[in-house]
Amino acid sequence: DAGVTQSPTHLIKTRGQQVTLRCSPKSGHDTVSWYQQALGQGPQFIFQYYEEEERQRGNFPDRFSGHQFPNYSSELNVNALLLGDSALYLCASSRRTSGFPATDTQYFGPGTRLTVL
Amino acid sequence: KQEVTQIPAALSVPEGENLVLNCSFTDSAIYNLQWFRQDPGKGLTSLLLIQSSQREQTSGRLNASLDKSSGRSTLYIAASQPGDSATYLCAAAYSGYSTLTFGKGTMLLVSP
Repeated sequence: DAGVTQSPTHLIKTRGQQVTLRCSPKSGHDTVSWYQQALGQGPQFIFQYYEEEERQRGNFPDRFSGHQFPNYSSELNVNALLLGDSALYLCASSRRTSGFPATDTQYFGPGTRLTVL
Repeated sequence: KQEVTQIPAALSVPEGENLVLNCSFTDSAIYNLQWFRQDPGKGLTSLLLIQSSQREQTSGRLNASLDKSSGRSTLYIAASQPGDSATYLCAAAYSGYSTLTFGKGTMLLVSP
């Protein structure tokens, strides 16, 4: 059973460029969340997608946008890159429970290391 | 503001020692608390998940406790091994959608 996969593994961009990161959730999972982890810090929540819609969003500017496809995979797009966007970007998947609140374990992918020069 | 704090930031112990990692969180209205392990430059591996109605969870040499009233969780590692060396992160779910608020982690080094 494949876990959460992310691509690419590493990426180098220059300021002002745009980048797209990809995530495939664990088999049987339908909810995808994205996190940004700066060096030496804990991950920070960017947004969560369920049923192809953004369900929750953290404190990130509109330069950060996303998408979820019918097969539950997801993309994270960042426009007008800044030096401060350099970080490890983590994708997490989970399975929506039948009720609320959701109580499932979050499973994380290996991350994409983005370097902005 | 909902925050998660981990103490200590770094810990070095000899192999075989039992140890405790601490996590504190503001706002007792959490849905669950999760402990993760992160190896350098890698993603996160889930270790234990404690629901808000539970007091503790155990997996092998790991035991995690949760005290909502005091806003604290601890991760107990028994008989530590060099392979346990990693950064340990705790994360609280303040949202019913299980989005997580993380601490900065405790970097653990277990020496042979």
